[in-house]
Amino acid sequence: DTEVTQTPKHLVMGMTNKKSLKCEQHMGHRAMYWYKQKAKKPPELMFVYSYEKLSINESVPSRFSPECPNSSLLNLHLHALQPEDSALYLCASSRIKGGNQPQHFGDGTRLSIL
Amino acid sequence: GEDVEQSLFLSVREGDSSVINCTYTDSSSTYLYWYKQEPGAGLQLLTYIFSNMDMKQDQRLTVLLNKKDKHLSLRIADTQTGDSAIYFCAENTTDSWGKLQFGAGTQVVVTP
Repeated sequence: DTEVTQTPKHLVMGMTNKKSLKCEQHMGHRAMYWYKQKAKKPPELMFVYSYEKLSINESVPSRFSPECPNSSLLNLHLHALQPEDSALYLCASSRIKGGNQPQHFGDGTRLSIL
Repeated sequence: GEDVEQSLFLSVREGDSSVINCTYTDSSSTYLYWYKQEPGAGLQLLTYIFSNMDMKQDQRLTVLLNKKDKHLSLRIADTQTGDSAIYFCAENTTDSWGKLQFGAGTQVVVTP
């Protein structure tokens, strides 16, 4: 069982819908991450939050909007997505942001855009 | 994953040892990670090693690091069918601020 919990596990949405992905951890970690993973590919970093502040945005389109309301929660708000945005979205956390801090992943949300 | 390279596929018989190889490029202050991903699941952290270490063992898992050649391997002893998965090698430098550089992943298939 993973200590990083993501909901929902599956999401199907139309291109005009607005939805949100949620991620929660109770390990006291102060760095949280969003990744996008296409089939048969490694994860690609999207956003990094450190102490609830956005630290890294890997040039992600504005139709993806992250939010970190507190140290345990991370949201990803979705609006006007495209079919190519269909993927597995993974959340991860680490004790702090840094090269020596292992990242712990959730099981992901599988997103399908119709 | 251009800077971290892995072979794409490995077939192994149940009970044998598996060896998954990885090469990386950044030689300064690097942490190297092994993650396992089963179908439909997220990434499970298996183990990690700092680049000033040569070896790390954890139950059936042994990580070997050749710093000179920038070569990392993960050996799984007594491979079981539950070890069938994709294994990702990842590099994380101390000045990269937490950005993992993943390899393409190695698909391991365990046959009875």
